[in-house]
Amino acid sequence: DTAVSQTPKYLVTQMGNDKSIKCEQNLGHDTMYWYKQDSKKFLKIMFSYNNKELIINETVPNRFSPKSPDKAHLNLHINSLELGDSAVYFCASSPLATSTDTQYFGPGTRLTVL
Amino acid sequence: QKEVEQDPGPLSVPEGAIVSLNCTYSNSAFQYFMWYRQYSRKGPELLMYTYSSGNKEDGRFTAQVDKSSKYISLFIRDSQPSDSATYLCAMTKTGGGNKLTFGTGTQLKVEL
Repeated sequence: DTAVSQTPKYLVTQMGNDKSIKCEQNLGHDTMYWYKQDSKKFLKIMFSYNNKELIINETVPNRFSPKSPDKAHLNLHINSLELGDSAVYFCASSPLATSTDTQYFGPGTRLTVL
Repeated sequence: QKEVEQDPGPLSVPEGAIVSLNCTYSNSAFQYFMWYRQYSRKGPELLMYTYSSGNKEDGRFTAQVDKSSKYISLFIRDSQPSDSATYLCAMTKTGGGNKLTFGTGTQLKVEL
């Protein structure tokens, strides 16, 4: 009965490769997010989708491309991986996109770029 | 300079101690304030949420907001080893699309 799930949990890859991370939520929420947490534990939003529509797009290299096939899924594709992309990526969801809606986070995907 | 500043710690306290965690912010557009708890190798989970100046209590946890000083705090009474985690303050702006802006997190260890 996992609320927000991510796959894979760990991802180790070489520089220059392309990889995808998948996220699914079974909470019936309309809004989903991707966050990046760096080695100092700083968590920063990357993207947000509301009902499959992109509503937040922070200053992120265009090597990162989110895709939302439906309200319950939000995937993150990363092209030409760089050493600096090593981090933990968290998916989250909330009922709506209003400022008071609680966000529920997934367990994270730990990406290591060698 | 980050919009939200938080003392990174680490903070180590004995079991039973009162813990005070603090964040300051620079943008008065922030209106809604949260505290998330993150255990090692897990995702953050919401602990407390408040939107007005003053105190909000939930069991051993009290969240305090002072909008005039742009300062928020989380107090943990009778701290337990199970409280050992990283605590992240977060805040959102009205009309900001629920974009959470986080502090850098404070790592807390409660020792027996």
